[in-house]
Amino acid sequence: QVQLVESGGGVVQPGRSLRLSCAASGVTFTNYGFHWVRQAPGKGLEWVALTSYDGGNEYYANSVKGRFTISRDNSKNTLYLQMNSLRAEDTALYYCVKEGVYYESDAPHDVFDVWGRGTMVTVSS
Amino acid sequence: DIQMTQSPSSLPASVGDRVTITCRASESIANYLNWYQQKPGQAPKLLIYAASSLQSGVPSRFSGSGFGTDFTLTISSLQPEDFANYYCQQSHTAPHFGQGTRLEIK
Repeated sequence: QVQLVESGGGVVQPGRSLRLSCAASGVTFTNYGFHWVRQAPGKGLEWVALTSYDGGNEYYANSVKGRFTISRDNSKNTLYLQMNSLRAEDTALYYCVKEGVYYESDAPHDVFDVWGRGTMVTVSS
Repeated sequence: DIQMTQSPSSLPASVGDRVTITCRASESIANYLNWYQQKPGQAPKLLIYAASSLQSGVPSRFSGSGFGTDFTLTISSLQPEDFANYYCQQSHTAPHFGQGTRLEIK
C-alpha cells in the first residue's frame, strides 16, 4: 500500500531555514500531485503547498508564499519543502499528502487521499 | 480565497445519537466539498468527497449533502469510534479547510 514518511523536522530559531522531506513508496510517484498540509498544536488543518505530478506547477497558501518552496525528485520518489524565514506561527506538524482524483458523475474531484504521519517543526528562540 | 466556516466548533453527543455538522462556503463551490475525520494522534482520513460520495470502506452511517455554499455531514447513529474531529475542505480552488468540529462524548 501507499506509504509516505516525512522527515527533517526539528527546533529552529526564527528567521532560519529548514528542509522537510517525504519519501513515498507503494505508488507510481510520477502519476500524482503531492501536498504539504500543516497543523499547529491543538489547532485545525491548513493547506500549505501543492506540486503537480511533473513538478511543472506549484501553488502556495498566502501565508507561506515567497518563503516556502515545494519541489520533488521523481527519480527518488521524494517530495520536499524548503522553508525559509521561519516564524513562530509556522510551528506545526507538517503532513505530506498524496493527491487523489476521484470521479463523481464524470467530474474529477481532488482529494487528500493518503497522508503521512507528519514531522514536527518548532520555531522558537 | 474561498473561506469555509464550520459549525458547531464543539458537539457533545451520545452513542446512538444522530448528529449533523454544517459547513458553509464564502462563495459557491458547486459540490467540490470533502469531509475528513481525524482522531487524536492520527492523520486525517477521507470520509466523503464530492459533497455526498462515500469513500470506500467508510461505514454507511456517514452521509453528506449540499451544493453551492451549504453542506452537511450526518452520522445517523453514533458509534464509540466516531468521537473525533471533523473537517470540511473545499477543492473548487486552492484547498481550504473549515476550522473543525470536535465531536465529544456528552
